[in-house]
Amino acid sequence: QVQLVESGGGVVQPGRSLRLSCAASGFTFSSYAMHWVRQAPGKGLEWVAVISYDGGEKYADSVKGRFTISRDNSKNTLHLQMNSLRVEDTAVYYCARDGLTPWGQGTLLTVSS
Amino acid sequence: DVVMTQSPLSLPVTLGQPASISCRSSQSLVHSDGNTYLNWFQQRPGQSPRRLIYKVSNRDSGVPDRFSGSGSGTDFTLKISRVEAEDVGVYFCMQHTHWPLTFGGGTKVEI
Repeated sequence: QVQLVESGGGVVQPGRSLRLSCAASGFTFSSYAMHWVRQAPGKGLEWVAVISYDGGEKYADSVKGRFTISRDNSKNTLHLQMNSLRVEDTAVYYCARDGLTPWGQGTLLTVSS
Repeated sequence: DVVMTQSPLSLPVTLGQPASISCRSSQSLVHSDGNTYLNWFQQRPGQSPRRLIYKVSNRDSGVPDRFSGSGSGTDFTLKISRVEAEDVGVYFCMQHTHWPLTFGGGTKVEI
């Protein structure tokens, strides 16, 4: 079955960088666009970025210029490189397949000094 | 950006009774290809979101038929015909007709 497993979250200071990963299995990863969506503690959902099957990227304005989405089709893995992190980036980060189904279990990023 | 407004924010329900959630968009969600890209998601307590409905009214595989979606243009509705205990959680609408994708603020369904 389709499975998405995020990793890489943790506690980081403002201004620092972190890379999240999402390991995909159970489907032909290279054929699908992939998304990152985040959810601040106790809040709603915010779309972050998408990468098409052939590498085209789009970003939310809130992360444009700081975050980079990428994919390694040989390893069925999605990444989110996050630079210049801010306190307001604190959230659970989910990866999701095109159409936003299904979602992974999420990984928590806490940005705090 | 397209603003998605859900109501109510909180919906107390009675088991076995119907429930309805409204979602309104700040502009039409009809795409140039003729489709309307409006989805509904369920997030049970402590779980990841799960898509229930895509393109307004299409149920995802495994979604009980007590869930239905309807609407057009800027006004959309998710209905639960008879609420069950497992339906407790937060429901979100989302549009992907226009970039960026945007979500409604969520409706908390509680018994």
